[in-house]
Amino acid sequence: AAGVIQSPRHLIKEKRETATLKCYPIPRHDTVYWYQQGPGQDPQFLISFYEKMQSDKGSIPDRFSAQQFSDYHSELNMSSLELGDSALYFCASSTPTGNYGYTFGSGTRLTVV
Amino acid sequence: AQSVAQPEDQVNVAEGNPLTVKCTYSVSGNPYLFWYVQYPNRGLQFLLKYITGDNLVKGSYGFEAEFNKSQTSFHLKKPSALVSDSALYFCAVRGRAAGNKLTFGGGTRVLVKP
Repeated sequence: AAGVIQSPRHLIKEKRETATLKCYPIPRHDTVYWYQQGPGQDPQFLISFYEKMQSDKGSIPDRFSAQQFSDYHSELNMSSLELGDSALYFCASSTPTGNYGYTFGSGTRLTVV
Repeated sequence: AQSVAQPEDQVNVAEGNPLTVKCTYSVSGNPYLFWYVQYPNRGLQFLLKYITGDNLVKGSYGFEAEFNKSQTSFHLKKPSALVSDSALYFCAVRGRAAGNKLTFGGGTRVLVKP
């Protein structure tokens, strides 16, 4: 069965650079969620989209932005990267009610050096 | 605001013994509750969910969880733990409104010793 696809799997960037993370949801899932998981931390909600509109916003820094495109894939853009941005970034997709659970991608590990 | 508490950072259990991972939650209205497992450097794998109906939910790999509304708990259980169950377990909750985000607990590391 198709799963949530995230790319790239690993990314190394220098401080003050920019990064773009991509997420392709499961077909017919129209809701996408982004989470950030720091070392030894639980996943923290960043932002979500439903039908290409932002539906909720969590602890996402102003340096980050995201959008959902017409094919429902989503991109998380991160600028002026800081060392503290090093984390595992997960994308999840679901149907709008989410009662079938969220399906998470394998994540993008971002390392800022 | 919704929240999840996993009071134990780590649970140690001998292989073959029962395993319990505790979770309590706080959310407005009736909850959707989930358990996920995470292996090192891997994504979050769905184990089971409570949506409605029977309070005892059976999930993947022999895991089950019991929804207790009065105690606002959703403890994860497995009758006989395996060494391969050693991983990080996250409990999560969301409200029932469309688009509500999933809020995770802090995670409990399970170590099953042979």
